[in-house]
Amino acid sequence: AQTVTQSQPEMSVQEAETVTLSCTYDTSESDYYLFWYKQPPSRQMILVIRQEAYKQQNATENRFSVNFQKAAKSFSLKISDSQLGDAAMYFCAYRSAYTDKLIFGTGTRLQVFP
Amino acid sequence: NAGVTQTPKFQVLKTGQSMTLQCAQDMNHNSMYWYRQDPGMGLRLIYYSASEGTTDKGEVPNGYNVSRLNKREFSLRLESAAPSQTSVYFCASSANTGPNSPLHFGNGTRLTVT
Repeated sequence: AQTVTQSQPEMSVQEAETVTLSCTYDTSESDYYLFWYKQPPSRQMILVIRQEAYKQQNATENRFSVNFQKAAKSFSLKISDSQLGDAAMYFCAYRSAYTDKLIFGTGTRLQVFP
Repeated sequence: NAGVTQTPKFQVLKTGQSMTLQCAQDMNHNSMYWYRQDPGMGLRLIYYSASEGTTDKGEVPNGYNVSRLNKREFSLRLESAAPSQTSVYFCASSANTGPNSPLHFGNGTRLTVT
């Protein structure tokens, strides 16, 4: 079975600084997709970024980028120029290419200080 | 645009009572999911449905049943509620355009079992 591990329950960053959230996963599958979701206090789940495992190039979405290390099964999220609105829970997620199953890590709470 | 609609938003049950959580999506998505979110545990997959007429167990299916009534609706039933089922429940859907399709989430149902 696949598992997703987020080892940082909480992180903090100063506004305008850069922060990296860690995620590792375990799978025996060769084809899969990885996601980062953001959950602000409103409880809404928002897609931040996604990465296809077969692509070597790291995905980037504006201030958000990933460091995808397939051999190490690592998928970290870097937030540059942090803003107060980035404060939220961040969840890493794994989706098999063979089923529709999508599983999440336990989340990292990010605080942003002015 | 309604997206994914969950009802009710809040519910309090006594131990042993039953109830059904309703979920409907208007995006013509094939896949639908039920997750529960608990502090420190992230989102855990209860059941999912890859298409109308099919359902599969997720990580924590015990104590729950689901029905994929049609393409739009996917309900979650608690036959005999237990305090351990106190949680926030999220329904989600995803287009069947590939495993990199993001999930669209409802706003959640906060369930308390006393």
